Amino acid sequence: GEDVEQSLFLSVREGDSSVINCTYTDSSSTYLYWYKQEPGAGLQLLTYIFSNMDMKQDQRLTVLLNKKDKHLSLRIADTQTGDSAIYFCAESIEDNDMRFGAGTRLTVKP
Amino acid sequence: NAGVTQTPKFRILKIGQSMTLQCTQDMNHNYMYWYRQDPGMGLKLIYYSVGAGITDKGEVPNGYNVSRSTTEDFPLRLELAAPSQTSVYFCASRDRGPVQYFGAGTRLSVL
Repeated sequence: GEDVEQSLFLSVREGDSSVINCTYTDSSSTYLYWYKQEPGAGLQLLTYIFSNMDMKQDQRLTVLLNKKDKHLSLRIADTQTGDSAIYFCAESIEDNDMRFGAGTRLTVKP
Repeated sequence: NAGVTQTPKFRILKIGQSMTLQCTQDMNHNYMYWYRQDPGMGLKLIYYSVGAGITDKGEVPNGYNVSRSTTEDFPLRLELAAPSQTSVYFCASRDRGPVQYFGAGTRLSVL
């Protein structure tokens, strides 16, 4: 199975908040990331958090990290149709070893 | 700002054919990576390079080869294409920081 686990699908209404969850397995991960992938495009970094932080906020995005439970979440406030995409959680285990989840497909309905 | 550029965007190969996926970056990054993305799966690391002349295997290197003769370029070679290599291939690069920057990908089908 995947080292990093995410639910595959999430559907929300425009204007609602979206919360995408991720669990990872390596407690020594130094950085945890959220990437966004739109259809036919590469991965775009949304945000990342250092493992000694609990929370990071960047405009509409809030990342929460629970190291005890190895749980990472991404909250998108006031979700818009342009936020529809696949969101990947990733952990950096070593300098050149990044592990990705399978991605959560977010669908935003008008 | 070109960033990481991959060519071609799409390719169809017959079993046993060979091809090279090109990746170039203009950010003077030392670290470069090749991943494959299979449907419903996360990205898997194929090969990586920490600088010109230095390459190393990732999680799924079998069936692939790489070279890094310059800082800018990191081509991925498939010698004998197999159906199991049907995937989307992403190249990425980074400087000394923790963030990898990705190209738009190459969608490869082996029939």
